[in-house]
Amino acid sequence: EPEVTQTPSHQVTQMGQEVILRCVPISNHLYFYWYRQILGQKVEFLVSFYNNEISEKSEIFDDQFSVERPDGSNFTLKIRSTKLEDSAMYFCASRDRGGTEAFFGQGTRLTVV
Amino acid sequence: QKEVEQNSGPLSVPEGAIASLNCTYSDRGSQSFFWYRQYSGKSPELIMSIYSNGDKEDGRFTAQLNKASQYVSLLIRDSQPSDSATYLCAVIYTGTASKLTFGTGTRLQVTL
Repeated sequence: EPEVTQTPSHQVTQMGQEVILRCVPISNHLYFYWYRQILGQKVEFLVSFYNNEISEKSEIFDDQFSVERPDGSNFTLKIRSTKLEDSAMYFCASRDRGGTEAFFGQGTRLTVV
Repeated sequence: QKEVEQNSGPLSVPEGAIASLNCTYSDRGSQSFFWYRQYSGKSPELIMSIYSNGDKEDGRFTAQLNKASQYVSLLIRDSQPSDSATYLCAVIYTGTASKLTFGTGTRLQVTL
């Protein structure tokens, strides 16, 4: 069964460093999303991406964040200068054109120290 | 602010019983509703989607939608210990590029 794949599964970084989280969405999907979940809190929307551009972003997604689809398969989230409060699980999700059901990757646990 | 409300639980049910999970949402114009299951430390896993009023059944799971009351529920029949997880209600609000707005989740414990 096709699935969304995320790497790495766990990343530890020092405050102020840049991190790139990677995702390979399901191959025929066209809509891509990043969500995050701080420990013990709810899943929060960060950004949606379609047709090589951001279609919507939340107020969390400030200038420190960026997304890119560098080739036909990868979808990345970059955090330019990490802060302690960026520590969270980051989930990539994708869906196809015809449906509204989004499927999530297994997540990347980001720990900023 | 468009919200999705869930009781955080824990909801404890004995094995074999029916578990009933509830969710309310704030935008009457919403069209798409989802239940995800999340095990501790894992990602959300889609269980059910529902788009029109009434019931939708899939195996042991039944989703119920009442748009007039802005209420979505999930029934789990013959609950198993493996059903112990947090159940997330999610809504796509109109005009939001299909982003999911999640509730805080209800933790379900199925006891032996």
